[in-house]
Amino acid sequence: AQKITQTQPGMFVQEKEAVTLDCTYDTSDQSYGLFWYKQPSSGEMIFLIYQGSYDEQNATEGRYSLNFQKARKSANLVISASQLGDSAMYFCAMRGRSSNDYKLSFGAGTTVTVRA
Amino acid sequence: GAVVSQHPSWVICKSGTSVKIECRSLDFQATTMFWYRQFPKQSLMLMATSNEGSKATYEQGVEKDKFLINHASLTLSTLTVTSAHPEDSSFYICSAPWGGETQYFGPGTRLLVL
Repeated sequence: AQKITQTQPGMFVQEKEAVTLDCTYDTSDQSYGLFWYKQPSSGEMIFLIYQGSYDEQNATEGRYSLNFQKARKSANLVISASQLGDSAMYFCAMRGRSSNDYKLSFGAGTTVTVRA
Repeated sequence: GAVVSQHPSWVICKSGTSVKIECRSLDFQATTMFWYRQFPKQSLMLMATSNEGSKATYEQGVEKDKFLINHASLTLSTLTVTSAHPEDSSFYICSAPWGGETQYFGPGTRLLVL
């Protein structure tokens, strides 16, 4: 069984500052993938970044970076230089690779509000 | 990234009617698609896995006779909410894996049952 924990229900961040969203996970799989998605008020789920459990480098995609600490089972998302358009709900998700079903387990989400 | 569409984006129906929601992969083929349900301010809950050419796999607690899934082709999966009731009102969103690891989501369908 896989479990994703996001302990921050909501966060406020000043425009142009960086923000870190916490995500911890629990799995018995040796190989797994970690994802972050952004969900604005429109409801669509936007893929942001992916980290494989065997990837040695932390993933980065533009202003998004994933702080992967495997021993601590954490996969925090860092958004640098926050913009007003970053206001949204953010979900951490995980896929174990013990099966081929591509199923994702999601955390509860963190709502980010960027202030001007 | 891959593009997944959903139709309709909004639907309002009377209690007792059935509602069909379509999920299409526009620029890739998807032998597997997923259907999720999301209540306001909550996370996504996986309802079922749609498999092209075979029966859908439902998650525990999801009524298969209530939520009918048909994966008619490599680019289309449909979710039919049969005899909808107000408690079925929710945000339904589909996804499909592409590129090995990543799942791409449709824009979602908001269902309101009166």
